[in-house]
Amino acid sequence: EPEVTQTPSHQVTQMGQEVILRCVPISNHLYFYWYRQILGQKVEFLVSFYNNEISEKSEIFDDQFSVERPDGSNFTLKIRSTKLEDSAMYFCASSSRDGGTDTQYFGPGTRLTVL
Amino acid sequence: KNEVEQSPQNLTAQEGEFITINCSYSVGISALHWLQQHPGGGIVSLFMLSSGKKKHGRLIATINIQEKHSSLHITASHPRDSAVYICAVPRIQGAQKLVFGQGTRLTINP
Repeated sequence: EPEVTQTPSHQVTQMGQEVILRCVPISNHLYFYWYRQILGQKVEFLVSFYNNEISEKSEIFDDQFSVERPDGSNFTLKIRSTKLEDSAMYFCASSSRDGGTDTQYFGPGTRLTVL
Repeated sequence: KNEVEQSPQNLTAQEGEFITINCSYSVGISALHWLQQHPGGGIVSLFMLSSGKKKHGRLIATINIQEKHSSLHITASHPRDSAVYICAVPRIQGAQKLVFGQGTRLTINP
């Protein structure tokens, strides 16, 4: 069964460094998402991406964050200058139709630790 | 703006028991999602439903649109069902952005 993959599974970085989290969505999906979950808290929406552009983003997704689909298979989340509070589990998801009304398939997550 | 409340927050039961987890939301939606988060952190989509009832194996999800309420039931629960169960709905009707409940931590003892 096709699945969403994410790399790395765990990333440790120093505050102020840039990180890129990578995701490979399911190949025929058109909608892509990033979520994050701070330890012990709810999952939070960050951004959705369709047709090579951001379709929705949350208040969390400020100028420090960016997303890209550089080559038609990867979907990346970049954090330009990490802060301690960016430490969280980051999940990528994809869906074949609008994910508000379609099943979203989640990757296994990347645990980001900012020191 | 949609708020999502789940109950109970924690639930411990014995193997074989019938489990019910509830989810209430505040505004109209196009669909509601039930997700399972494993102890290792991974998230699996269980159901996406917009009306009535869906069944998959021992899992049953129901939704009452008028009451803005959904339930997830597990029949003949098993220790491998131990996980966090999360309800999520679009922030506003038609939106892609999902708003998540805080999750229900289920522990099934053998």
